[in-house]
Amino acid sequence: DGGITQSPKYLFRKEGQNVTLSCEQNLNHDAMYWYRQDPGQGLRLIYYSQIVNDFQKGDIAEGYSVSREKKESFPLTVTSAQKNPTAFYLCASSFSGRPQHFGDGTRLSIL
Amino acid sequence: KQEVTQIPAALSVPEGENLVLNCSFTDSAIYNLQWFRQDPGKGLTSLLLIQSSQREQTSGRLNASLDKSSGRSTLYIAASQPGDSATYLCAVRRETSGSRLTFGEGTQLTVNP
Repeated sequence: DGGITQSPKYLFRKEGQNVTLSCEQNLNHDAMYWYRQDPGQGLRLIYYSQIVNDFQKGDIAEGYSVSREKKESFPLTVTSAQKNPTAFYLCASSFSGRPQHFGDGTRLSIL
Repeated sequence: KQEVTQIPAALSVPEGENLVLNCSFTDSAIYNLQWFRQDPGKGLTSLLLIQSSQREQTSGRLNASLDKSSGRSTLYIAASQPGDSATYLCAVRRETSGSRLTFGEGTQLTVNP
């Protein structure tokens, strides 16, 4: 079955630590996206990538970094510079200009 | 800057009731509007997508309308069921933002048996 796989489902970060969230898709989609969702709020765009080896900042990119070395993979690193990382992180992918498909998310918490 | 607002934030209804969820947006230059469903701790499932040239879309018991000039969309759910309990989010894609979506805060729906 085609889809988007996010891992891990739950992740804990210690003070000063960088952590990386994985997002893999086998839908052959060109574009991939990372969103952050806080309780009772909608999704906010962190980073997005339209093609391999290229990505753009979204609305809340500070404290995050990404890479897009392969079409099917778009990992998100939450750096120690992100002072309030506790949130639900969602990855999505799409053909350019087409509706986005979402993974099941990673919940990040602070230890 | 595009802003999207959803009212109400939460809604609780008895089973069988027809209900309406509202979504408003500030910039009418949209490419399309999409309604999603989110179950607790899960990702988003697309329900309906309305292109800017369309007035409504229907899928089963769901009907979404779009009034671009007034910056409003409604999601109508007929004969609600407990299985409809979830958070419903609307998102708009602007004409000039490529594939980027701007989301509302969502409406948390509870349908009581």
